[in-house]
Formats: sequence, C-alpha cells, structure tokens
Amino acid sequence: NAGVTQTPKFQVLKTGQSMTLQCAQDMNHNSMYWYRQDPGMGLRLIYYSASEGTTDKGEVPNGYNVSRLNKREFSLRLESAAPSQTSVYFCASFRGRVGNEQFFGPGTRLTVL
Amino acid sequence: KQEVTQIPAALSVPEGENLVLNCSFTDSAIYNLQWFRQDPGKGLTSLLLIQSSQREQTSGRLNASLDKSSGRSTLYIAASQPGDSATYLCAVQNDYKLSFGAGTTVTVRA
Repeated sequence: NAGVTQTPKFQVLKTGQSMTLQCAQDMNHNSMYWYRQDPGMGLRLIYYSASEGTTDKGEVPNGYNVSRLNKREFSLRLESAAPSQTSVYFCASFRGRVGNEQFFGPGTRLTVL
Repeated sequence: KQEVTQIPAALSVPEGENLVLNCSFTDSAIYNLQWFRQDPGKGLTSLLLIQSSQREQTSGRLNASLDKSSGRSTLYIAASQPGDSATYLCAVQNDYKLSFGAGTTVTVRA
C-alpha cells in the first residue's frame, strides 16, 4: 500500500516550457487535490476533484490545468511555466466523507528559471 | 473565505518542556480540523483529526482541543523531545476543501 505517490520528485524548467505532474493513490479515495507550498504561506489549493469525472478550481488556479484520468490518478499541467510557479507541489487524496483524513504525497520541487 | 492563523510562527524550547501550539479560524462551519507535521524538505504527516462534533482528540503525547464556536484549536505536546522538532500545520475542512495555516516551526533543544 503505497498511499499517494507523485512524479517527478524534482524538476527544473525554463520559462515557457510545459510539463505535467503526476499523482496516483491506491486507497480507493474519491477526492484528490493539488496544492502548492511557498515559504511563509502555508499550502494553497490549486485544483481539486471531489469525485471521478469532476474538477473544480481552488484558491490559485491561474496558469494550471488538471485531468482526473480515473479514480486513482490526478495530473496537474503547467502549459507555459513562469518563475512565479517555482514552488513545492503536493498531491493529496481524501475518502470524501466527513471525518476522514487527507493523505499527502511526498511533493514535487519545481524550479522555473 | 476561510482564514487560518497559527501563532506563534516559531518556538524554541528546552527538552522536556510542554509545547502549546495555537490555531484560529474565521468560519466556524467546519467539518473537521486536522493537525499535520512537516519535516524539512518532506511531505505532510497527519497527526490528529478532530471532527466538528468532538472537543478533543489524543494520541500518545499529543492532545488537540477544538472550540468551534470561538474558532480555536490548540495542540499540546507533552514532555517535548528533540525528535519533535518540525513544522506543525493546522488545517480546517469546509465542504471538500482544506484551508491551511502558515505553520509553527518548533525547535526542541537537547
């Protein structure tokens, strides 16, 4: 039982390049999330998928797109990376009912030059 | 919009002292509150989850209280150890979303 996995662990991009961050969970959770973490600002929600087939914007969606590929997988795409998107990105999953915990992946450290 | 505040931002204590970490939130219509630990360069580890109907939750040396009406939670760590050094994050759940505080960075001196 691997929990929540993310790939890659590290990535360096040049401004304007695109990339996709991958996330998978093996806990049969309904809901999945993408957050970014910047120094001194806690975690901020980018996008989430409450259930398979649905996606919704979070607090900071601009410059990102997501795809809920199936119940296990939720990807985050940067179409044209900008230095402001340098951050640590975390994926999380949640069973979707009240009283359940969110579980987090190990993170992807992205630098945009 | 839910706002979550954690005070203090940093805390340094000698080994053996009890730790008290505070979290406040502006919208009391929460489903639950979760405390996480984050080590430098690592992901988040869930410590405790308190449902909105509960007043407190305990796990080993950790105890978390919740006063939903006043928008406050406190995490107590008894008899601190150097291994407790980390950043502690508070998060509140409204509907399907978690809102996070910026965290309290704890250093326990041997």
